[in-house]
Amino acid sequence: DQQVKQNSPSLSVQEGRISILNCDYTNSMFDYFLWYKKYPAEGPTFLISISSIKDKNEDGRFTVFLNKSAKHLSLHIVPSQPGDSAVYFCAAGTKTSYDKVIFGPGTSLSVIP
Amino acid sequence: NAGVTQTPKFQVLKTGQSMTLQCAQDMNHNSMYWYRQDPGMGLRLIYYSASEGTTDKGEVPNGYNVSRLNKREFSLRLESAAPSQTSVYFCASRLGYNEQFFGPGTRLTVL
Repeated sequence: DQQVKQNSPSLSVQEGRISILNCDYTNSMFDYFLWYKKYPAEGPTFLISISSIKDKNEDGRFTVFLNKSAKHLSLHIVPSQPGDSAVYFCAAGTKTSYDKVIFGPGTSLSVIP
Repeated sequence: NAGVTQTPKFQVLKTGQSMTLQCAQDMNHNSMYWYRQDPGMGLRLIYYSASEGTTDKGEVPNGYNVSRLNKREFSLRLESAAPSQTSVYFCASRLGYNEQFFGPGTRLTVL
């Protein structure tokens, strides 16, 4: 049973518009969450994270929102750019076992010029 | 800094053959990890090493062994490869509670 779910395998967005990538989790013990971005033939790179004590974290064009009661987080990219086209992985972990991060299956984002 | 490097980039094996995937990092990170990525599955942790001299099983350790040779290097060995081990393998490293840094991956095909 997947503990971290990304139910949209793919998403297409026009350049300049907002991209919203969603992630759901089942384990209420998770206390930190991360987003990674992956281009083809490269390893994932860290994008942004959020602790469970917060409900929002912002870094430039990227904002992550956390709704603990719904066990849901989302990544907003505003404005979207063609260079944002990549696979985005949501990941979650617990600080007591922080080596064992659980990754979701990923969402492939295409930003259309 | 090269970051995290992995060799080889590609490998084709026959069922039953063995091989070792190499990983090295030059960021003086304590923790190192091996993941596999399969379509629709995300990245799954095979083994990790929280510090030099220690290794622990992750989510999918069966069929693999690891060695933390020193602080820089963490290798993954397949003793008898099986088609189910066809995957893309990523090595990563991390300092403390911070994010992980990933290598470029090794694409392995087992025939």
